[in-house]
Amino acid sequence: AQKITQTQPGMFVQEKEAVTLDCTYDTSDPSYGLFWYKQPSSGEMIFLIYQGSYDQQNATEGRYSLNFQKARKSANLVISASQLGDSAMYFCAMREIFDSNYQLIWGAGTKLIIKP
Amino acid sequence: NAGVTQTPKFRVLKTGQSMTLLCAQDMNHEYMYWYRQDPGMGLRLIHYSVGEGTTAKGEVPDGYNVSRLKKQNFLLGLESAAPSQTSVYFCASSQDRGQVYEQYFGPGTRLTVT
Repeated sequence: AQKITQTQPGMFVQEKEAVTLDCTYDTSDPSYGLFWYKQPSSGEMIFLIYQGSYDQQNATEGRYSLNFQKARKSANLVISASQLGDSAMYFCAMREIFDSNYQLIWGAGTKLIIKP
Repeated sequence: NAGVTQTPKFRVLKTGQSMTLLCAQDMNHEYMYWYRQDPGMGLRLIHYSVGEGTTAKGEVPDGYNVSRLKKQNFLLGLESAAPSQTSVYFCASSQDRGQVYEQYFGPGTRLTVT
């Protein structure tokens, strides 16, 4: 079964609009973490934001915020006031314990294109 | 600081050839990882290391070997390349089992096996 599901393979959004990228997860580990990474066309992986399972408040980093709904097992990324430079692949990942070590489990990604 | 570097950036192999990808990090991180990225899929963990001299299998280890002789280096080897190993390979590193556990990535190596 998929542990991380990103249901939007691609999205087109008008510049300056807000964007929500969906991510749902599945785990039985009570202590887990959720990450979002950005991969522009140049290929590098850029860390955006992190949410711990015990964090009481939703994480925010500049224009990025994470809409964490624990009961629904969702961790959607919200980008406010989108810019052309936000066009990229976005990956959701979950940290969980495997063989006594932490590992990241990755979603398939969402390709975001910002239109001028 | 250079962060995480990978060599080479591109490589074309014929089926059956062997090669080694080198990953180096200058952040004194304990954990290092090798992933592959295929179109339409997220990153998949090949092998990882929790410290110098230790390695462990990830989700897709078959056809690959790794070594971590020095803390700063993590090598990925393909003994007999197959077309199914055509992919983009990423190396990453992270600190210990800290709360956030952010992974820092190298720029990737694009490997084509013909």
